[in-house]
Order: sequence, then structure tokens, then C-alpha cells
Amino acid sequence: KAGVTQTPRYLIKTRGQQVTLSCSPISGHRSVSWYQQTPGQGLQFLFEYFSETQRNKGNFPGRFSGRQFSNSRSEMNVSTLELGDSALYLCASRTGPSASGANVLTFGAGSRLTVL
Amino acid sequence: GESVGLHLPTLSVQEGDNSIINCAYSNSASDYFIWYKQESGKGPQFIIDIRSNMDKRQGQRVTVLLNKTVKHLSLQIAATQPGDSAVYFCAETASGTALIFGKGTTLSVSS
Repeated sequence: KAGVTQTPRYLIKTRGQQVTLSCSPISGHRSVSWYQQTPGQGLQFLFEYFSETQRNKGNFPGRFSGRQFSNSRSEMNVSTLELGDSALYLCASRTGPSASGANVLTFGAGSRLTVL
Repeated sequence: GESVGLHLPTLSVQEGDNSIINCAYSNSASDYFIWYKQESGKGPQFIIDIRSNMDKRQGQRVTVLLNKTVKHLSLQIAATQPGDSAVYFCAETASGTALIFGKGTTLSVSS
């Protein structure tokens, strides 16, 4: 069973640009969450989607947005990039939104974004 | 074995020692807790979980202890091996809310 796949793995952008990151969840998983990981702030929750609807949203500015498609694949977008947006962006999936031992959040390897 | 107080960012142990990594959680309504391990260049990987109606759960070489009175979670790794070297995160969630991660602890195992 394939894991969570994130593309691209690495990318470099300049300030003011925008970026779109893609996530393909594990087959059968309908819930997708996104996290930002930085050395200073650790893992911070961005948002969660289930059945194409945003269920939860973290404390990030409106420049950060996401969406989920009918096949459960998800994308996140960051507009007007700032230097502080440099981070590892992690996508994770699970079968549904309820946390349990049978429904553990499984992470991809992440997309490493560098903003110059 | 070697243990840390409430969140130290690093822990260094010798191969074969027992390791204890501590975590303080913030939300008294949290009812589900998970430990993740993250190796360099990889995403976090599930280790073990525990529900709030339990105070101890054991896996293969790992044990999680939950003390709801003081909102404290610990991960014990028996006979630590070099392959256990990684960053360890605790995470908490209350029903229907997002999984929130604590600050990680970097475990270094020397042989």
C-alpha cells in the first residue's frame, strides 16, 4: 500500500511569489491534514480537509490556503511568500476525522520550501 | 536508564540504556495522545498511542505513561538502539479537533 506522497520534495521561491504543494493520501483515506515544520516553532497545524470540506484551521494568515479534491488529493497554496515561510510542509492522511488507534495520522516525507 | 525533566530538547544515551522522554500537554480536554518519531529527511512516524481512559500502554520496546492529574506524558524506550536516534514528538487531541504537537526531543544513541 503506497504511503502519503508529496510533491515537489524541494523547491526554491523568491519573496512575493506564490507556491502550490500537492499531496496524495493513502488509498482509502479521506482526511488530509497539513502541517508546517520549522526549527523554531516545531510542527504547527495548518488545516484539515475531509470530503472536500475544511474541518479545522490553524492560526495562520489568509495567505495560506488549501483545498481537497473529490479523489481526496489535496493541495495547499501560499501566496505572497515571505522569508519566514521557509519550512518543511508536511501532509498527513487518515481514514476519517476521528482520531483513534485504528485511524492514525500517517505523514508524508514533506515538501521543503526555501524562500529567498 | 536516563530520563529528562519536562521537555529537554536533547537526550543522549548509551546503546542498551533505557530512555525516558517526557512531555507536558496543555489541554485538559485532550483525550487521545500519540508519540511520533521523526528521522532526518522523513516525516513523523507513529510509535504508540494512548487514550485518556488508560494510564499505561505497552508496545514493542516502548511504553507510554499518561498522568492526567499533572497533564504529563512519557515515552519509555527499553534497550535503546542506534536506530532509535531521532526526534520524538508527543501529540494531543480532543474529540474532533486537530492533532497538536509538542516540541520535540532529539534522542542520540551512541554505541
